[in-house]
Amino acid sequence: SQQGEEDPQALSIQEGENATMNCSYKTSINNLQWYRQNSGRGLVHLILIRSNEREKHSGRLRVTLDTSKKSSSLLITASRAADTASYFCATDQSQGNEKLTFGTGTRLTIIP
Amino acid sequence: ETGVTQTPRHLVMGMTNKKSLKCEQHLGHNAMYWYKQSAKKPLELMFVYNFKEQTENNSVPSRFSPECPNSSHLFLHLHTLQPEDSALYLCASTEGTGYHEQYFGPGTRLTVT
Repeated sequence: SQQGEEDPQALSIQEGENATMNCSYKTSINNLQWYRQNSGRGLVHLILIRSNEREKHSGRLRVTLDTSKKSSSLLITASRAADTASYFCATDQSQGNEKLTFGTGTRLTIIP
Repeated sequence: ETGVTQTPRHLVMGMTNKKSLKCEQHLGHNAMYWYKQSAKKPLELMFVYNFKEQTENNSVPSRFSPECPNSSHLFLHLHTLQPEDSALYLCASTEGTGYHEQYFGPGTRLTVT
């Protein structure tokens, strides 16, 4: 089974509300990254959090990491229509060959 | 844009055709990647090149043949593909393998008829 799994698979919220997406993984990691993908386009890196960090902020994004639960969350505050996209977490295994493993993503729709 | 370009953006090919996908990065990175993205499946890593040397082949069928002539260019040669190979093919680059954020190109939407 895959290393990273996002939850929920799809999320629709009103513009201005906060959006929270979760990612669970199975093996120990060095770092966890979040990416965004607009429909039919490439992925764009959002934020990287290392295994010894618990929380990280970047603008309206807040990422948390709980290595004891092997989970991470991405919070987007004050959502905008332009935030509509798919969001993926990606992990690299600390005992693996350093390649990134992506989840299936959360499809976020912001309703104007 | 991310500094990674891919051509063509869309490709329709028959199962007996031979075509190539091209990726170019303008970031001075040393590692380049090919991924396959199919609907409702996780992004699948296909190949990794580091300093022009292939370091990862993720059990990809031989009908996909990568080529990396230098650290800035990556090709994916396609021949005798199957309809299930239809997908978005993404190229990415990083400073080095593993620990760094990946910069993705816009992808090539491939349809095999």
